[in-house]
Amino acid sequence: GAGVSQSPSNKVTEKGKDVELRCDPISGHTALYWYRQSLGQGLEFLIYFQGNSAPDKSGLPSDRFSAERTGGSVSTLTIQRTQQEDSAVYLCASSFKTSGRYLPMYQETQYFGPGTRLLVL
Amino acid sequence: GEDVEQSLFLSVREGDSSVINCTYTDSSSTYLYWYKQEPGAGLQLLTYIFSNMDMKQDQRLTVLLNKKDKHLSLRIADTQTGDSAIYFCAESPPVGYQKVTFGIGTKLQVIP
Repeated sequence: GAGVSQSPSNKVTEKGKDVELRCDPISGHTALYWYRQSLGQGLEFLIYFQGNSAPDKSGLPSDRFSAERTGGSVSTLTIQRTQQEDSAVYLCASSFKTSGRYLPMYQETQYFGPGTRLLVL
Repeated sequence: GEDVEQSLFLSVREGDSSVINCTYTDSSSTYLYWYKQEPGAGLQLLTYIFSNMDMKQDQRLTVLLNKKDKHLSLRIADTQTGDSAIYFCAESPPVGYQKVTFGIGTKLQVIP
């Protein structure tokens, strides 16, 4: 597709329920990132994928959060037993490639989806 | 760890210039970015600068980098109501994957 897409755009759920958030990165982008944006706070890094593997899961807030990526494309962020403090906008971003050396800017830039607004009642 | 700080709010009159400031702590930062987030939307990359540059101009946008003071600014000339948004400063290191650290965002309000 032309850009990063996320679904659903809005999700209201009850405390204790599980939710799944989906991200479709830009075609050809091998790197994928999940962030959380809470009210009045900046962007909080959650997890990064390079291909299907997640070398950095350091930002996941608790073991209720997990993410997977299949086929080097779509990623799903799952929150189990949701809590009210999980309410936030969950943003996904993708980039062309990452490596341990300098790359042209267009390959490094992260492109963001519109986000999923999660409200836990 | 890395930290990026910016003020929360800026209000300017339409037609005036806006200057949004940001400071960062990671001296190894190589890429410094400005992203724009309009209401209900994701982040859009506005512009970026390499750490070996002092200034970059792109139409109404001017980015200034003071590497010694680790200070980054975004100047928007002739600010329009359509510029009202939240502006995020961000930085990333030169090696490894692109773990970008974002600031909290500055909300720019343009008064007609």
